[in-house]
Amino acid sequence: DTEVTQTPKHLVMGMTNKKSLKCEQHMGHRAMYWYKQKAKKPPELMFVYSYEKLSINESVPSRFSPECPNSSLLNLHLHALQPEDSALYLCASSQSTSGGAYTQYFGPGTRLTVL
Amino acid sequence: SQKIEQNSEALNIQEGKTATLTCNYTNYSPAYLQWYRQDPGRGPVFLLLIRENEKEKRKERLKVTFDTTLKQSLFHITASQPADSATYLCALDIKRNTPLVFGKGTRLSVIA
Repeated sequence: DTEVTQTPKHLVMGMTNKKSLKCEQHMGHRAMYWYKQKAKKPPELMFVYSYEKLSINESVPSRFSPECPNSSLLNLHLHALQPEDSALYLCASSQSTSGGAYTQYFGPGTRLTVL
Repeated sequence: SQKIEQNSEALNIQEGKTATLTCNYTNYSPAYLQWYRQDPGRGPVFLLLIRENEKEKRKERLKVTFDTTLKQSLFHITASQPADSATYLCALDIKRNTPLVFGKGTRLSVIA
């Protein structure tokens, strides 16, 4: 199974809401990622988990809070978002975070709209 | 600072021709370079990986070259088809043992 699943597919939320995005993989990968992608831009790395520990936080605002409950699951908790946070949020996994030797498997993404 | 450039934002070609996309990088020497395909509203899908000591890699109608002297990778799709229309992203490890960084992508349109 080489699939990364993400739920929900679409999410509309107000600026005062709290919501969570979920990601799951069963490939035994030990690295998991959250990316944010705006229209016509490349994926922008937000967080990296390696062996369930947060290894990279790319100066993301605290209104985004990642969580890795176990090696297969990755969550992104959202609170007090701004309209400019509207984007496609992508989850990915790979065998390791060590450089370009490992390919990344991406989920289909969650299209987030903040009103 | 490190920079990854993909030659053009958009490329239109006629069906059956070879599409050539370019990825240039500056100020570092990646050990690996990867190419991904992304369809609108979907996550990127891995296509090919090439190592710094490899000149060329092929997979069906796809070919990637890696010139570490020119700091450039070329991605070719031969006998292109309308179904090949998508955005193609190159990705590199700009520092050893760090996650990939993606280029901005080239949006390819193959016209029937």
